[in-house]
Amino acid sequence: AQSVAQPEDQVNVAEGNPLTVKCTYSVSGNPYLFWYVQYPNRGLQFLLKYITGDNLVKGSYGFEAEFNKSQTSFHLKKPSALVSDSALYFCAVRGGEGGGYNKLIFGAGTRLAVHP
Amino acid sequence: GAGVSQTPSNKVTEKGKYVELRCDPISGHTALYWYRQSLGQGPEFLIYFQGTGAADDSGLPNDRFFAVRPEGSVSTLKIQRTERGDSAVYLCASSPRADLNTGELFFGEGSRLTVL
Repeated sequence: AQSVAQPEDQVNVAEGNPLTVKCTYSVSGNPYLFWYVQYPNRGLQFLLKYITGDNLVKGSYGFEAEFNKSQTSFHLKKPSALVSDSALYFCAVRGGEGGGYNKLIFGAGTRLAVHP
Repeated sequence: GAGVSQTPSNKVTEKGKYVELRCDPISGHTALYWYRQSLGQGPEFLIYFQGTGAADDSGLPNDRFFAVRPEGSVSTLKIQRTERGDSAVYLCASSPRADLNTGELFFGEGSRLTVL
């Protein structure tokens, strides 16, 4: 079964420093991977996705993610964090065979706290 | 606005009562999804519609849960004989098509259900 794991409940980083939010995946077949962000009292917002092609994917708000097949990882990164990046981040994978191709399976989420 | 609209935003009910949660997707989006997010967890897939039909209802936890989308637009999630364990935020998302190769999910802000 398709799944993703986010090993960190929370990540703390100082404003201006680079940030990484980790995600590993387990899939059968080719992975379709996504990152979403949830700000307080807001709906989940799409950040970026990897379907195929370049391993470095660029997304919204200056975020990027690196697909690493050998490590089965899809970590979210940003070169310089902003206080406004503080939010809940979810990694997700497309479902697999048996009718799951058109739904997303989410990780438990990682809370990012950026301190001034 | 033109986003996904969910009502009510908050619903408090008593154990054993019947509840309806409504989702108004983005106009023209043919795919509609329901997810449930419990405290401290990622969104959990419940059901998705392609047009009027439920294409995948494998995530509905039991027969107390039912969802409809009679005209291919607005959807209603119905919960009978609510239990305290049903307390969660119920998220609705829509997509131009149920094709995660090219589409992305647009989420509403959710309906927070509390069962006393």
